[in-house]
Amino acid sequence: DIQMTQSPSSLSASVGDTVTITCRASRGISNWLAWYQQKPEKAPKSLIYGGSSLQSGVPSRFSGSGSGTDFTLTISSLQPEDFATYYCQQYNSFPETFGQGTKVEIK
Amino acid sequence: EVQLLESGGGLIQPGGSLRLSCAASGFTFSSYAMSWVRQAPGKGLEWVSGISGGGGSAFYADSVKGRSTISRDDSKNTLYLQMNSVRAEDTAVYYCAKGIERTSVTCYDHWGQGTLVTVSS
Repeated sequence: DIQMTQSPSSLSASVGDTVTITCRASRGISNWLAWYQQKPEKAPKSLIYGGSSLQSGVPSRFSGSGSGTDFTLTISSLQPEDFATYYCQQYNSFPETFGQGTKVEIK
Repeated sequence: EVQLLESGGGLIQPGGSLRLSCAASGFTFSSYAMSWVRQAPGKGLEWVSGISGGGGSAFYADSVKGRSTISRDDSKNTLYLQMNSVRAEDTAVYYCAKGIERTSVTCYDHWGQGTLVTVSS
């Protein structure tokens, strides 16, 4: 199975900050990488697919980059509604696997 | 508007069986892969099972393989998960998720609200 490792596990930031979350795959996955946002007691929300393509309706302050084994999710100008947990997912091969999550908290 | 509505969760005794359903609307159901993803209390997301658009291919996580069956009824726009011999570690919120394409291995653009399964005596 492909292991997905996110860093950091949590971070504290202020409104207006730029935040970067990293996701590393245990082997190359091309750009078959998605990012999701989840708020407490809510279903995940899809943000990015194909490593860097925004899902419909997702604000442009979210961006994704990377290919192969190393990927990043960047949130520019953090907004109050962005405080949540973020997960990466590889869909290069079965079983699809998720990172352990990165919790973005208010400083 | 895409909507996914799960049902069938609840309290189940260890060793019992459950059947989860996901009623879909707002898109051409047969054209997209669908999956079940679960989240144990306080834990991260775990892919459980996926099925291709049209139902030709199905895949399972090792944790449920051999005791679970995913299926779909495209005439009813409904996804199912039958799970037998349930264990305490199956306790989780189960989400239905819509793939972005027909192939089984995919990512997701829409998620249901989830249904809670609790395995306990």
